[in-house]
Formats: sequence, C-alpha cells, structure tokens
Amino acid sequence: KQEVTQIPAALSVPEGENLVLNCSFTDSAIYNLQWFRQDPGKGLTSLLLIQSSQREQTSGRLNASLDKSSGRSTLYIAASQPGDSATYLCAAAGNTPLVFGKGTRLSVIA
Amino acid sequence: DGGITQSPKYLFRKEGQNVTLSCEQNLNHDAMYWYRQDPGQGLRLIYYSQIVNDFQKGDIAEGYSVSREKKESFPLTVTSAQKNPTAFYLCASSEGPRAYEQYFGPGTRLTVT
Repeated sequence: KQEVTQIPAALSVPEGENLVLNCSFTDSAIYNLQWFRQDPGKGLTSLLLIQSSQREQTSGRLNASLDKSSGRSTLYIAASQPGDSATYLCAAAGNTPLVFGKGTRLSVIA
Repeated sequence: DGGITQSPKYLFRKEGQNVTLSCEQNLNHDAMYWYRQDPGQGLRLIYYSQIVNDFQKGDIAEGYSVSREKKESFPLTVTSAQKNPTAFYLCASSEGPRAYEQYFGPGTRLTVT
C-alpha cells in the first residue's frame, strides 16, 4: 500500500530565502505526483503535476522534481515571500487515486 | 467561470442525524472524489466515481454513502453510523482517473454535536 511522507512537518524561513520541501513515497509504480497548496480553512490549489516519465516541472518561482527510483520528490521555492505561507501537500497517483502526505506548514517571515 | 462548488461552507448537525454535502462541477470531468481532512492529517479518500452511475469505496467509506446520477454532481451523505463525523470535507474532480490532475472545491466544515 502506498505511503507518502513529508518532512519537515513545519518550516519557518525569513523572506527571500530559497527553500526545499521534501516528499517521499514507498511504491515507485506511480502515474504522477502532484503538489498542492492549502491556505487555512480552504480547499487545495494545484501547483504542479509531474508525470511519471518527467523529471521536473516549473511554474514561476516553483520547481518540482521527481526521482521515481528513489521514491522522492522535492518542491523548490525560490525567493520566498510572506504570501507563500501555507501548507504544502504532495500526493502520489498509482493504481488507486491520490495518496496524500500530511503536508509541510511553511511560514515565511517578513 | 469553471470550477467546483461545495455547499454549504459550514454545516452543523445533531448526533444521530444524516446530512448530505453537495458537490457540483462544471468542468465536464468524468471522475469525482470525496476526501476527509482532520487537523494535522493528510487527506483520506472516502469514495470516488470514475463515471456516471458507478462509484468505488475509498479507504474510509464506512458510515458514508454517495450517488452519481449526473456527471456534474456527486453528493456525499454522512450517516448516523459514522462514529466521528466532525471534519473538513473536500470534493475534487479530474478529467479521468489516476493519471489526471485533480482540482478541488473550497470544502465544507461539518460539526456534529
């Protein structure tokens, strides 16, 4: 059964720093891996989706990478801003619908 | 404006009552999903539907029921058999199953006392 882990659970950084969020999964037989953002009390916003055949995807200041063989994905956020403060979740899609990690709560301090 | 709507945003019920949460999408997506989120937890799958008139149980289906009579609608009923129904409920949809990007609604916070 797929298990998805995100480390750290919480992260606090000063504005302007580059940072990396980590996601690991136990079953490498995935179709894709998706990164989401969730603000308190809100639904999820899709940030990036990496298909299993891809190594990375970029959108603005965000870059997500995927290494299926090691069961890892990273989300890189460049030049962090206070508006980036939110919980970031990763989810792996395999033979069952998305399996989610518990998220990393990011605080960017001005 | 294309998207997923969930209503109401907040819902309060007494223990022992069934309650139905609404989820509607105008994205013309075939697949729809219901998740439950508890504080400090990731999302857990309750039910999903890949096509009209068909649905499958997720990891935590006990105490819940769904229907999929129309492509755009996937209501979730929380029955009195659900032992701990207070949670944040999220609906999602995708063009097709598994390999497609999922899009989420704004969620319904259900409180049962």
